[in-house]
Amino acid sequence: NAGVMQNPRHLVRRRGQEARLRCSPMKGHSHVYWYRQLPEEGLKFMVYLQKENIIDESGMPKERFSAEFPKEGPSILRIQQVVRGDSAAYFCASSPEGWAEETQYFGPGTRLLVL
Amino acid sequence: DAKTTQPTSMDCAEGRAANLPCNHSTISGNEYVYWYRQIHSQGPQYIIHGLKNNETNEMASLIITEDRKSSTLILPHATLRDTAVYYCIVSTGNMLTFGGGTRLMVKP
Repeated sequence: NAGVMQNPRHLVRRRGQEARLRCSPMKGHSHVYWYRQLPEEGLKFMVYLQKENIIDESGMPKERFSAEFPKEGPSILRIQQVVRGDSAAYFCASSPEGWAEETQYFGPGTRLLVL
Repeated sequence: DAKTTQPTSMDCAEGRAANLPCNHSTISGNEYVYWYRQIHSQGPQYIIHGLKNNETNEMASLIITEDRKSSTLILPHATLRDTAVYYCIVSTGNMLTFGGGTRLMVKP
C-alpha cells in the first residue's frame, strides 16, 4: 500500500516565482489536508479539500496561496510570487472520509526554499 | 479545537516504558484525542487515538481519564528509534492543531 505521496521533496525558488506542490492521497482516500511547518515550529493547518471542493480554507493566507483537488490527479498547493517567508515544509495528509474519527495520514513533505 | 498542554521534553532509558502525559481540560464531548509523532523533520506519523475508552495497538497504549481532561501515551519498551517530538491533539477530525509537543529523548 503506497502512502501519501508528495513531490517534489525539495523545491528551490527565487523571490517572485511560482511554487507548485503536489500531493497524491493514499488509495481510497478522498479527503486531503495541507499543513505548513515553519522552522522550529509546529504544523499549522492551511486547507481541507474533497474532490473538486474546498471544505475549509480558514488557515490559508488571503493572497498568493491557492489549493485544488481535481476530479482526476493530485491535489495542488500553489504559491504565487513567493517571498522568503514562504520558506517552510509543506505537508499533505489524507483520510478516507471527513468524519471525526477518521485518521489523517501524512506524506513526507515538500521543503520549499525561497532565495 | 481544544488546547493541550504537554511537557516540553522528557528522557527515557532504552527498553523502559515511556509515559507521555497530556492535559486537555477544555475538551468537548465530540473531540477525539490523537497522538502523532514527528521524527526529525519527517512527516508526522499517526500513533493512536481514542474518544473515552483506553486504546492499544501495536505501537502504543492510550489511557484517557474518566473525566477526559487528561491522557497518557505509553510506549511500552522504548527504543532509540522512538526519539521524536510527540504531539497530543484534540480534534473533531477535520483540522489538527499541533502545539509544541513533547521532545522525547530515548537514551541507551
